[in-house]
Amino acid sequence: AQSVTQLDSHVSVSEGTPVLLRCNYSSSYSPSLFWYVQHPNKGLQLLLKYTSAATLVKGINGFEAEFKKSETSFHLTKPSAHMSDAAEYFCVVSDQGTGGFKTIFGAGTRLFVKA
Amino acid sequence: KAGVTQTPRYLIKTRGQQVTLSCSPISGHRSVSWYQQTPGQGLQFLFEYFSETQRNKGNFPGRFSGRQFSNSRSEMNVSTLELGDSALYLCASSLTVSSYEQYFGPGTRLTVT
Repeated sequence: AQSVTQLDSHVSVSEGTPVLLRCNYSSSYSPSLFWYVQHPNKGLQLLLKYTSAATLVKGINGFEAEFKKSETSFHLTKPSAHMSDAAEYFCVVSDQGTGGFKTIFGAGTRLFVKA
Repeated sequence: KAGVTQTPRYLIKTRGQQVTLSCSPISGHRSVSWYQQTPGQGLQFLFEYFSETQRNKGNFPGRFSGRQFSNSRSEMNVSTLELGDSALYLCASSLTVSSYEQYFGPGTRLTVT
């Protein structure tokens, strides 16, 4: 069965310091994995996606994520946080199983960036 | 290329009423999915349409329904509204049903009083 666990509900960093948002998943098949960002009162924007190509995926705004099958993780990182990165981030797993195509969203991690 | 558009952006309804929300996908996209987002339950999948057919459905009561038109535009309807239906309803479009990359609209904020 599919599941997504975002290990932190809130993360607080100082501007200019690294960001790490953690995500673990479970999937019976070869999943596609995504990170989306949601700014207040806005829809979701795709940051990056993994679809069984390179395990290190680069996304927009300097974010990247590494797919680690042995650890069933897909953590999101950024070397240097910016104030505009303050938002909610969702880790998502999708796969085509016997029950059909399913997409599961994690509970979200709210990122706070301090000046 | 224009993004996903949703109308209306904000809506206030009374318990027992019904509501219809509209979503226009990105041009060329044939799949539309709907999600409900609430502070308590997070993002939950409602249903997905592709080529005017419902392909997947989440665990919501039958009061929640949808449809897709030949131009890929989609509507969702909620009948007999309950207070707990207050939420942000998000629509997402993708190229095909097997294309997992989804593009989201800004959402419709529904408040039920």
